[in-house]
Amino acid sequence: ETGVTQTPRHLVMGMTNKKSLKCEQHLGHNAMYWYKQSAKKPLELMFVYSLEERVENNSVPSRFSPECPNSSHLFLHLHTLQPEDSALYLCASSPGLAEYNEQFFGPGTRLTVL
Amino acid sequence: GQNIDQPTEMTATEGAIVQINCTYQTSGFNGLFWYQQHAGEAPTFLSYNVLDGLEEKGRFSSFLSRSKGYSYLLLKELQMKDSASYLCAVRDSDYKLSFGAGTTVTVRA
Repeated sequence: ETGVTQTPRHLVMGMTNKKSLKCEQHLGHNAMYWYKQSAKKPLELMFVYSLEERVENNSVPSRFSPECPNSSHLFLHLHTLQPEDSALYLCASSPGLAEYNEQFFGPGTRLTVL
Repeated sequence: GQNIDQPTEMTATEGAIVQINCTYQTSGFNGLFWYQQHAGEAPTFLSYNVLDGLEEKGRFSSFLSRSKGYSYLLLKELQMKDSASYLCAVRDSDYKLSFGAGTTVTVRA
């Protein structure tokens, strides 16, 4: 059982909908991440939070809005998405930002935008 | 930008050995990770190399040459459960991980 959980596991939404993805880590970590994984493409880092402060916003469109209310929870709020945003969205956490820290991934949310 | 290359697919027979190569060109280097990802599941950590040389962990080993910008993951005594995607990722000068597109390994009986 992974220490990082994500809900929902699957989401289908229209371009005008508003939805949120949730990530929770039970590992006592201080850093959390959002990645996008499209078919046959490398994982793309979207956002990084350390101690609930955003430290990275990797040129992500404003239709994606992250929220980190505490060090255990991370949300990704979605609105007016495009079909090309369909992908697997992975959350990860690590003890801190130090270079030797491995990242622990959740199972992902498979998003389909119609 | 960061450039991390690895083969798209590899096929091997149960009990055999497979070597997955990864070459990288990045603006900085603070270590290289290998992750395993089964279809529909989370990537899981396999290995971390920051110094040149070979790190061995059971059936899996990982090698790094920083001067050549090169790493490989060696899977020995292949089992059917090793069929998965293997992701090479480089930590650049800060906390960011840049990933390759992954190598899908298929193990055949």
